[in-house]
Amino acid sequence: GENVEQHPSTLSVQEGDSAVIKCTYSDSASNYFPWYKQELGKRPQLIIDIRSNVGEKKDQRIAVTLNKTAKHFSLHITETQPEDSAVYFCAASIGTGGFKTIFGAGTRLFVKA
Amino acid sequence: EPEVTQTPSHQVTQMGQEVILRCVPISNHLYFYWYRQILGQKVEFLVSFYNNEISEKSEIFDDQFSVERPDGSNFTLKIRSTKLEDSAMYFCASSEGQGKNIQYFGAGTRLSVL
Repeated sequence: GENVEQHPSTLSVQEGDSAVIKCTYSDSASNYFPWYKQELGKRPQLIIDIRSNVGEKKDQRIAVTLNKTAKHFSLHITETQPEDSAVYFCAASIGTGGFKTIFGAGTRLFVKA
Repeated sequence: EPEVTQTPSHQVTQMGQEVILRCVPISNHLYFYWYRQILGQKVEFLVSFYNNEISEKSEIFDDQFSVERPDGSNFTLKIRSTKLEDSAMYFCASSEGQGKNIQYFGAGTRLSVL
């Protein structure tokens, strides 16, 4: 079945710096890749997503890149702020509706003021 | 803004008891999901549901688990005979379908099995 690896498990950056989180997936049939932010004790919330027919997507300070050949996708956060501190999960999904979504292990991001 | 609601927020039960976790998905959504998150660990897919039947399930979703859409608004997860290791946060999610893949998560039910 699908397996998603996520690195690093912990990331500490200075406010204003960039943060990059990387994921790899195993099943080449995966076609949808969401990224979720989870603050302590809260629900996961989608921050950005990308489909397999797109190589890059950007939304203000957040961007995601996808390399289908290498089965890699990455989250880039620029100009980090203390409120970006949270756990970030990548995920890979197969299907067109009733997705089986497999999450990575998560990256705990600390942004130091 | 419409959101997925889950009840109760915290459920405490004795080992071996049955529990039912309840979810009200967003009203025009067609796909429903249950996930589990053990404290400090990743979110794990349990099951997806569409058109009144399971469309995908994981290895975790064994015979102890079942899902149901008993009426037009609720979506439930039943655990037949709870085990200590079932203690976790259970999240319900829903998505619109029709090519719109974004899954919206509820606030979760924390299940504590004693």
